[in-house]
Amino acid sequence: EPEVTQTPSHQVTQMGQEVILRCVPISNHLYFYWYRQILGQKVEFLVSFYNNEISEKSEIFDDQFSVERPDGSNFTLKIRSTKLEDSAMYFCASSFLPGGTEAFFGQGTRLTVV
Amino acid sequence: GQQLNQSPQSMFIQEGEDVSMNCTSSSIFNTWLWYKQEPGEGPVLLIALYKAGELTSNGRLTAQFGITRKDSFLNISASIPSDVGIYFCAGPGRGSTLGRLYFGRGTQLTVWP
Repeated sequence: EPEVTQTPSHQVTQMGQEVILRCVPISNHLYFYWYRQILGQKVEFLVSFYNNEISEKSEIFDDQFSVERPDGSNFTLKIRSTKLEDSAMYFCASSFLPGGTEAFFGQGTRLTVV
Repeated sequence: GQQLNQSPQSMFIQEGEDVSMNCTSSSIFNTWLWYKQEPGEGPVLLIALYKAGELTSNGRLTAQFGITRKDSFLNISASIPSDVGIYFCAGPGRGSTLGRLYFGRGTQLTVWP
Protein backbone atom coordinates (compact mmCIF):
# COMPACT_ATOMS: atom_id res chain seq x y z
CA GLU A 1 0.00 0.00 0.00
CA PRO A 2 1.40 3.43 -0.90
CA GLU A 3 2.49 5.55 2.02
CA VAL A 4 3.95 8.90 2.94
CA THR A 5 7.48 8.54 4.25
CA GLN A 6 9.31 11.07 6.40
CA THR A 7 12.95 11.39 7.34
CA PRO A 8 14.50 11.58 9.80
CA SER A 9 12.23 9.98 12.38
CA HIS A 10 13.90 11.99 15.12
CA GLN A 11 16.03 15.13 14.90
CA VAL A 12 17.76 16.89 17.77
CA THR A 13 19.06 20.35 17.06
CA GLN A 14 20.45 23.30 18.93
CA MET A 15 18.41 26.45 19.27
CA GLY A 16 19.14 28.81 16.40
CA GLN A 17 20.13 26.09 13.98
CA GLU A 18 18.39 25.42 10.70
CA VAL A 19 16.63 22.11 10.14
CA ILE A 20 15.14 20.53 7.07
CA LEU A 21 12.49 17.89 7.44
CA ARG A 22 11.93 15.68 4.44
CA CYS A 23 8.90 13.92 3.10
CA VAL A 24 8.14 11.72 0.12
CA PRO A 25 4.41 12.00 -0.58
CA ILE A 26 2.38 9.33 -2.32
CA SER A 27 3.43 9.42 -5.95
CA ASN A 28 0.19 10.39 -7.71
CA HIS A 29 -0.90 12.88 -5.08
CA LEU A 30 -1.12 16.55 -5.97
CA TYR A 31 -1.68 18.31 -2.64
CA PHE A 32 0.87 18.37 0.11
CA TYR A 33 0.67 19.50 3.72
CA TRP A 34 2.66 19.96 6.88
CA TYR A 35 1.12 19.68 10.32
CA ARG A 36 2.68 19.70 13.74
CA GLN A 37 1.74 18.25 17.10
CA ILE A 38 3.27 19.56 20.30
CA LEU A 39 3.51 16.79 22.88
CA GLY A 40 0.11 16.05 24.38
CA GLN A 41 -1.69 18.57 22.23
CA LYS A 42 -3.79 18.48 19.11
CA VAL A 43 -2.55 18.31 15.55
CA GLU A 44 -2.18 21.80 14.04
CA PHE A 45 -2.10 22.81 10.40
CA LEU A 46 0.99 24.60 9.15
CA VAL A 47 0.81 24.85 5.38
CA SER A 48 -0.66 23.39 2.22
CA PHE A 49 1.14 23.28 -1.12
CA TYR A 50 -0.17 22.74 -4.61
CA ASN A 51 1.19 23.33 -8.08
CA ASN A 52 4.54 24.36 -6.69
CA GLU A 53 3.27 27.10 -4.46
CA ILE A 54 1.82 27.62 -1.02
CA SER A 55 -1.96 27.57 -1.20
CA GLU A 56 -2.72 28.22 2.45
CA LYS A 57 -0.75 28.75 5.64
CA SER A 58 -1.56 29.16 9.29
CA GLU A 59 -0.54 31.78 11.80
CA ILE A 60 2.16 29.39 13.03
CA PHE A 61 3.84 29.34 9.62
CA ASP A 62 5.82 32.56 9.95
CA ASP A 63 8.93 33.75 8.12
CA GLN A 64 11.05 31.15 9.90
CA PHE A 65 9.32 28.42 7.95
CA SER A 66 9.52 27.58 4.29
CA VAL A 67 8.50 24.67 2.10
CA GLU A 68 9.86 23.40 -1.14
CA ARG A 69 9.33 20.64 -3.62
CA PRO A 70 12.84 20.51 -5.05
CA ASP A 71 12.17 17.60 -7.40
CA GLY A 72 9.32 15.37 -8.44
CA SER A 73 9.27 13.32 -5.28
CA ASN A 74 10.46 15.22 -2.20
CA PHE A 75 8.60 17.82 -0.17
CA THR A 76 10.59 19.63 2.51
CA LEU A 77 9.92 21.86 5.48
CA LYS A 78 12.73 24.16 6.54
CA ILE A 79 12.88 25.96 9.85
CA ARG A 80 15.47 28.67 9.54
CA SER A 81 16.41 29.40 13.13
CA THR A 82 14.85 26.93 15.51
CA LYS A 83 13.37 27.95 18.84
CA LEU A 84 12.66 25.79 21.86
CA GLU A 85 8.95 26.04 21.17
CA ASP A 86 9.44 24.47 17.74
CA SER A 87 9.92 21.12 19.49
CA ALA A 88 7.08 18.94 18.25
CA MET A 89 6.13 16.07 15.97
CA TYR A 90 5.95 17.28 12.39
CA PHE A 91 3.67 15.37 10.05
CA CYS A 92 3.71 15.52 6.32
CA ALA A 93 0.51 14.57 4.49
CA SER A 94 -0.60 14.31 0.90
CA SER A 95 -3.84 13.88 -0.95
CA PHE A 96 -5.02 13.38 -4.51
CA LEU A 97 -8.05 15.59 -4.07
CA PRO A 98 -8.11 19.14 -2.69
CA GLY A 99 -9.39 19.95 0.73
CA GLY A 100 -7.18 17.46 2.55
CA THR A 101 -10.15 15.27 3.34
CA GLU A 102 -8.56 12.07 2.13
CA ALA A 103 -5.10 13.04 3.28
CA PHE A 104 -2.62 10.34 4.16
CA PHE A 105 -0.18 11.19 6.92
CA GLY A 106 3.42 10.13 7.33
CA GLN A 107 4.73 8.66 10.56
CA GLY A 108 6.18 12.00 11.60
CA THR A 109 9.51 13.53 12.51
CA ARG A 110 10.06 14.26 16.16
CA LEU A 111 12.00 17.52 16.38
CA THR A 112 13.69 18.32 19.67
CA VAL A 113 15.27 21.74 20.04
CA VAL A 114 17.74 22.03 22.91
CA GLY B 1 -9.59 29.37 14.28
CA GLN B 2 -12.40 26.89 14.45
CA GLN B 3 -12.55 24.91 17.67
CA LEU B 4 -13.44 21.24 17.88
CA ASN B 5 -14.30 19.91 21.32
CA GLN B 6 -13.91 16.21 21.86
CA SER B 7 -15.20 14.18 24.75
CA PRO B 8 -14.36 12.29 26.72
CA GLN B 9 -10.68 13.17 26.98
CA SER B 10 -9.83 9.59 27.92
CA MET B 11 -11.56 6.25 28.33
CA PHE B 12 -10.51 3.08 30.12
CA ILE B 13 -12.63 0.12 29.11
CA GLN B 14 -12.66 -3.66 29.20
CA GLU B 15 -12.17 -5.68 26.06
CA GLY B 16 -15.53 -6.43 24.48
CA GLU B 17 -17.21 -3.24 25.61
CA ASP B 18 -18.65 -0.71 23.22
CA VAL B 19 -17.18 2.79 23.07
CA SER B 20 -18.75 6.09 22.16
CA MET B 21 -17.02 9.42 21.74
CA ASN B 22 -18.13 12.67 20.23
CA CYS B 23 -16.99 15.93 18.78
CA THR B 24 -18.73 19.29 18.70
CA SER B 25 -17.99 22.54 17.02
CA SER B 26 -19.18 26.10 17.41
CA SER B 27 -19.39 26.41 13.64
CA ILE B 28 -20.74 24.32 10.81
CA PHE B 29 -18.53 21.74 9.18
CA ASN B 30 -19.18 20.33 5.73
CA THR B 31 -17.00 17.30 6.32
CA TRP B 32 -16.21 15.34 9.44
CA LEU B 33 -13.21 13.04 9.64
CA TRP B 34 -12.18 10.56 12.29
CA TYR B 35 -8.52 9.62 12.66
CA LYS B 36 -6.70 7.19 14.91
CA GLN B 37 -3.16 7.78 16.08
CA GLU B 38 -1.01 5.10 17.65
CA PRO B 39 2.19 5.90 19.57
CA GLY B 40 4.97 7.07 17.28
CA GLU B 41 2.75 7.08 14.22
CA GLY B 42 0.88 9.63 12.17
CA PRO B 43 -2.91 9.91 12.15
CA VAL B 44 -4.67 7.27 10.09
CA LEU B 45 -8.01 8.11 8.51
CA LEU B 46 -10.77 5.82 9.77
CA ILE B 47 -13.99 7.33 8.46
CA ALA B 48 -14.94 10.35 6.38
CA LEU B 49 -18.43 11.87 6.49
CA TYR B 50 -19.65 14.29 3.85
CA LYS B 51 -23.37 14.80 4.38
CA ALA B 52 -25.46 15.86 7.36
CA GLY B 53 -27.17 12.83 8.87
CA GLU B 54 -24.82 10.40 7.17
CA LEU B 55 -24.05 7.23 9.08
CA THR B 56 -20.99 5.33 7.90
CA SER B 57 -19.38 2.13 9.11
CA ASN B 58 -15.89 0.75 8.78
CA GLY B 59 -15.83 -2.69 10.35
CA ARG B 60 -16.60 -2.29 14.05
CA LEU B 61 -16.48 1.48 13.75
CA THR B 62 -19.54 3.61 13.05
CA ALA B 63 -19.58 7.36 12.73
CA GLN B 64 -22.38 9.83 12.19
CA PHE B 65 -22.46 13.36 10.84
CA GLY B 66 -24.86 15.32 13.06
CA ILE B 67 -27.84 16.93 11.38
CA THR B 68 -26.90 20.35 12.75
CA ARG B 69 -23.51 19.89 11.04
CA LYS B 70 -21.90 20.96 14.29
CA ASP B 71 -21.26 17.55 15.76
CA SER B 72 -20.22 14.01 15.01
CA PHE B 73 -19.83 10.84 17.00
CA LEU B 74 -17.75 7.70 16.67
CA ASN B 75 -18.75 4.32 18.09
CA ILE B 76 -16.54 1.30 18.40
CA SER B 77 -18.31 -1.96 19.05
CA ALA B 78 -16.83 -4.97 20.85
CA SER B 79 -13.50 -3.27 21.53
CA ILE B 80 -10.26 -5.23 21.31
CA PRO B 81 -6.78 -4.40 22.67
CA SER B 82 -5.55 -3.13 19.29
CA ASP B 83 -8.18 -0.37 19.41
CA VAL B 84 -5.86 1.39 21.86
CA GLY B 85 -4.80 4.81 20.62
CA ILE B 86 -5.88 8.42 20.36
CA TYR B 87 -8.96 9.13 18.28
CA PHE B 88 -9.21 12.56 16.69
CA CYS B 89 -12.07 14.24 14.98
CA ALA B 90 -11.15 16.72 12.28
CA GLY B 91 -12.70 18.86 9.62
CA PRO B 92 -11.72 21.34 6.94
CA GLY B 93 -11.93 24.98 7.90
CA ARG B 94 -14.77 27.11 6.61
CA GLY B 95 -13.65 28.73 3.41
CA SER B 96 -10.65 26.48 3.14
CA THR B 97 -10.66 24.34 0.04
CA LEU B 98 -7.02 23.48 -0.06
CA GLY B 99 -6.33 21.44 2.97
CA ARG B 100 -6.42 23.16 6.32
CA LEU B 101 -7.86 20.58 8.70
CA TYR B 102 -8.80 21.49 12.25
CA PHE B 103 -8.31 18.71 14.78
CA GLY B 104 -9.91 18.08 18.14
CA ARG B 105 -7.72 17.37 21.15
CA GLY B 106 -8.38 13.66 20.90
CA THR B 107 -9.86 10.87 23.02
CA GLN B 108 -7.26 8.54 24.49
CA LEU B 109 -8.66 5.01 24.50
CA THR B 110 -7.22 2.29 26.71
CA VAL B 111 -8.59 -1.25 26.43
CA TRP B 112 -7.91 -3.74 29.19
CA PRO B 113 -7.78 -7.41 28.14
